[in-house]
Amino acid sequence: EPEVTQTPSHQVTQMGQEVILRCVPISNHLYFYWYRQILGQKVEFLVSFYNNEISEKSEIFDDQFSVERPDGSNFTLKIRSTKLEDSAMYFCASSELLILRAGGNTIYFGEGSWLTVV
Amino acid sequence: EDQVTQSPEALRLQEGESSSLNCSYTVSGLRGLFWYRQDPGKGPEFLFTLYSAGEEKEKERLKATLTKKESFLHITAPKPEDSATYLCAVQSWSGGGADGLTFGKGTHLIIQP
Repeated sequence: EPEVTQTPSHQVTQMGQEVILRCVPISNHLYFYWYRQILGQKVEFLVSFYNNEISEKSEIFDDQFSVERPDGSNFTLKIRSTKLEDSAMYFCASSELLILRAGGNTIYFGEGSWLTVV
Repeated sequence: EDQVTQSPEALRLQEGESSSLNCSYTVSGLRGLFWYRQDPGKGPEFLFTLYSAGEEKEKERLKATLTKKESFLHITAPKPEDSATYLCAVQSWSGGGADGLTFGKGTHLIIQP
């Protein structure tokens, strides 16, 4: 079964450093997402991306965050100057169709990148 | 603002003891309701998408149903390998593009042998 792959699985970084989390979405998918889950809390939406631009973003996704699709396969999340509160599991997700009905729009998640800011 | 409330927060069952998990939601217009399974330290694993009230979907020992205000995940004769956190999420019609999912806190299910 196709899957979303994420690297690294775990990263430890110092406060103030830049971090790039990488994702390879499922190959025929058109919509890409980043979510995060702080330990013990809900999964939270960060941003969605379609046709090489941001489609929607949440209040969490402020100026320290950016996303990019640098080539035909990778999708990245950059955190410019990490803070302690950015420590979380970051999930990449992708979907084939946005329009629902008749079995469309399954959103598949990767296994996550665990970010620890010290 | 979309809201999702799941109950109970935790549920411990004996193997073979059937039960139901509840997901109550408030959205401006429901685009889809999703059920995921999450194992510790892993990403959400897709189970079902439901689109309209009255819809039902089944997969092995799981059956998901949807009304206008809530969804149920019924677990029939569960096995220890069904132990996980079950997440409910909604996607609403905001008029935008790829709208994000709003998740509930999940139900932590433990099936004892």
